[in-house]
Amino acid sequence: QVQLQESGPGLVRPSETLSVTCSVAGYSINTGYYWGWIRQSPGEGLQWIGSIHQTGNTYYNPSLRGRVSISVDTSKNHFSLNLTSVTAADTAVYYCARHLAVRGILQWLAPWGQGSRVTVSS
Amino acid sequence: QSGLTQPRSVSGSPGQSVTISCSGTGNDVGRYDYVSWYQQYPGKAPTLIIYDVNTRPSGVPDRFSGSKSGNTASLTISGLQVDDEADYFCSSYGGSHNSVLFGGGTNLAVL
Repeated sequence: QVQLQESGPGLVRPSETLSVTCSVAGYSINTGYYWGWIRQSPGEGLQWIGSIHQTGNTYYNPSLRGRVSISVDTSKNHFSLNLTSVTAADTAVYYCARHLAVRGILQWLAPWGQGSRVTVSS
Repeated sequence: QSGLTQPRSVSGSPGQSVTISCSGTGNDVGRYDYVSWYQQYPGKAPTLIIYDVNTRPSGVPDRFSGSKSGNTASLTISGLQVDDEADYFCSSYGGSHNSVLFGGGTNLAVL
C-alpha cells in the first residue's frame, strides 16, 4: 500500500527558498507514475504546482514557472520541491501525491500525503 | 490559465441527491475526458473519488457518479449521508500548457 509523507520547515522567511520533501513508502518511485506537488492556501482551493517522473522529466504550473523546481532521488525513494523568493502568498499546506500521466497527459492524483503546513513570515 | 468554476456551497437532506457542477472551457473540460473529483474533510488531505469523468476507484460507493456535457462536468451524490458532508474539488487536464486545473471547491452540507 503506497503511502506518502511530506516533511517541511514549518516557517520560511520572505525572499528565502521553501523546500519540502515527500517520502514514498510501500511503492517504488520507479514505476512509471509521475509524482506531484499541490498546495492549498488557508481557506482556499487547491493549486497544482508541478509533477516529476522518475526520469527527471517535469511539468510545472505556468504561473509558478521560474520559481519552482522539483527533483527526484530514486535511491532514497523520495522527491522534493523547491520554491524560491517566497512571499506571504506562498503560505499554504503543501501536499504530495502520486500522479498518473499517460503520453504526457496529466490525469488523476492518488493517494495524497497528509500535507505539510508552511508559513512564510519574518 | 484560469481555474475551473464550482459553486461555493450546496446542501441537501439525508437520502436526497445533489449535483455539483464544474465549468471549464473548450481547452480543458470540453476537450479532454480527464476530469477527476476529490473529497476533502476538514484538516485532512483530499482523496480521489472519480477519475476519467465517470470512473470510481475501488472502494468508492456507487452513490457517487460523474458526467460531462460540453464544457461542464458534474458530480452527483445520491442517497446523501451525513458522512458526505465535506468539500469537493474538480480537476481537469489543462491542455496545451501540460498543466492541471482545479476548481475552487464546493462545500456540501447535509442538513
